[in-house]
Amino acid sequence: DVVVTQSPLSLPVPLGQPASISCRSSQSLVHSDGNTYLNWFQQRPGQSPRRLIYKVSNRDSGVPDRFSGSGSGTDFTLKISRVEAEDVGVYYCMQGTHLWTFGQGTKVEIK
Amino acid sequence: QVRLVESGGGVVQPGGSLRLSCAASGFTFINYGFHWVRKAPGKGLEWVTSMWSDGTSKRYADSVKGRFTISRDISKNTLSLQMDGLRAEDTAVYYCARDDHGGLGDSWGQGTLVTVSS
Repeated sequence: DVVVTQSPLSLPVPLGQPASISCRSSQSLVHSDGNTYLNWFQQRPGQSPRRLIYKVSNRDSGVPDRFSGSGSGTDFTLKISRVEAEDVGVYYCMQGTHLWTFGQGTKVEIK
Repeated sequence: QVRLVESGGGVVQPGGSLRLSCAASGFTFINYGFHWVRKAPGKGLEWVTSMWSDGTSKRYADSVKGRFTISRDISKNTLSLQMDGLRAEDTAVYYCARDDHGGLGDSWGQGTLVTVSS
C-alpha cells in the first residue's frame, strides 16, 4: 500500500506570511497514463473538504492564486504565498495513482 | 449547479447495518465516477470506496472490504453505500465526492454522520 506522509502536522503562520506543506509518497505517483494524480484539499472548520489543486499543480476554479502546487515523483509541496485569515483549516494531500490515500493532514492556524 | 446531498446517517449498534445515499443534481450523473470518503472524530480523511463511471468497476479500502458495498441508481441519480457488520471504528462523517478529469473530489457533499455504539 502507498503511504503518504505530510509535514509539518501543525503550521502556525503570521498573517501575510508564506506557508509551505510537504507531502511525500512511498512510491512514485506517475501513473501509466503519464499523469501524476496528486491533489491538495482544504477543510475549514465545520465544512466539507474542498479541492484546491489537482494533478500536482493545477488550481481548481475559484481557488485564489496565492495557492500553488509543485513537485514530481514522490515529493510534492503546497505553498500559500501570503496566508489570510480564511486559510485557517486542515490541508490534506492525496494520491490517486495507486487507488487513493490521504496524508495525515496539516493544521494551519494564524500565529 | 453541481450538488451532492448525503442522507441516511444515524446511530447503529455494533454488527448492525446502515444504508447511505448521495443524491446528485446539476450534471449528467452517468458520466462520472464517485467515491465515499470518511472522517472519523479526531482523525484525518480516509478513502472508503469508489465506483467508475461505467458503473461496474469498484474498489474498496481493506478496512471495509467484504462489509461495505457501493452502488448507484441511474434512474434516480443516486449513489449508495450499504454498510453491514458495522464496527465502532466505522464511526465517522461520510462524504460522497465526484471524480472528474482531475481525479477525486472536484465536488463534495455536506456529509452524513454515522455513529456505531451500543
